Amino acid sequence: KQEVTQIPAALSVPEGENLVLNCSFTDSAIYNLQWFRQDPGKGLTSLLLIQSSQREQTSGRLNASLDKSSGRSTLYIAASQPGDSATYLCAVRPHYSGAGSYQLTFGKGTKLSVIP
Amino acid sequence: DTEVTQTPKHLVMGMTNKKSLKCEQHMGHRAMYWYKQKAKKPPELMFVYSYEKLSINESVPSRFSPECPNSSLLNLHLHALQPEDSALYLCASSQPWYDSNQPQHFGDGTRLSIL
Repeated sequence: KQEVTQIPAALSVPEGENLVLNCSFTDSAIYNLQWFRQDPGKGLTSLLLIQSSQREQTSGRLNASLDKSSGRSTLYIAASQPGDSATYLCAVRPHYSGAGSYQLTFGKGTKLSVIP
Repeated sequence: DTEVTQTPKHLVMGMTNKKSLKCEQHMGHRAMYWYKQKAKKPPELMFVYSYEKLSINESVPSRFSPECPNSSLLNLHLHALQPEDSALYLCASSQPWYDSNQPQHFGDGTRLSIL
């Protein structure tokens, strides 16, 4: 059974700092890995999706990397801003065909606070 | 603005009430999902519809009854809920499983409180 772990559970940084969030997974047979952001009481916003054949994806100040063989992904946020404060979740999609591929396995998230 | 719209945003109901949660997407997605999320926990998958047919039911109690009337709409009918069912209910949509390298898109959820 796939397990996804995110460390740390919470992180507080001063504004302007670069930071890295970590995600690890136990089964390397994944189709892709997705990073989400969740603001309090809101839904999930998709940030980046990395296919299993890719090493990294970039969007603005965000860069996500994937090392499938070691079961690790990182989300790098450059020049952090107070508006980046949220919970960040990673989720892996299994390498199945059919309905089983719909089932994402989520980590518990990292709660990020960026202090002005 | 989210591309998946959920109504209502908040719902308070008694244990004997019947209510429905609604979800709508206009992205042409053919897979739609219901998740339940408790505070400080990740979302838990409840149901998946693929091409308007129920593909996954994660052993959800029968007091939750999903319905997919067409490719854009997804409902969750609620009846005789328990206090432990209080949670944020999230709807999501995506391309079908054979186009799995597309992200799931989530709505903002319905905050449900059972009295």
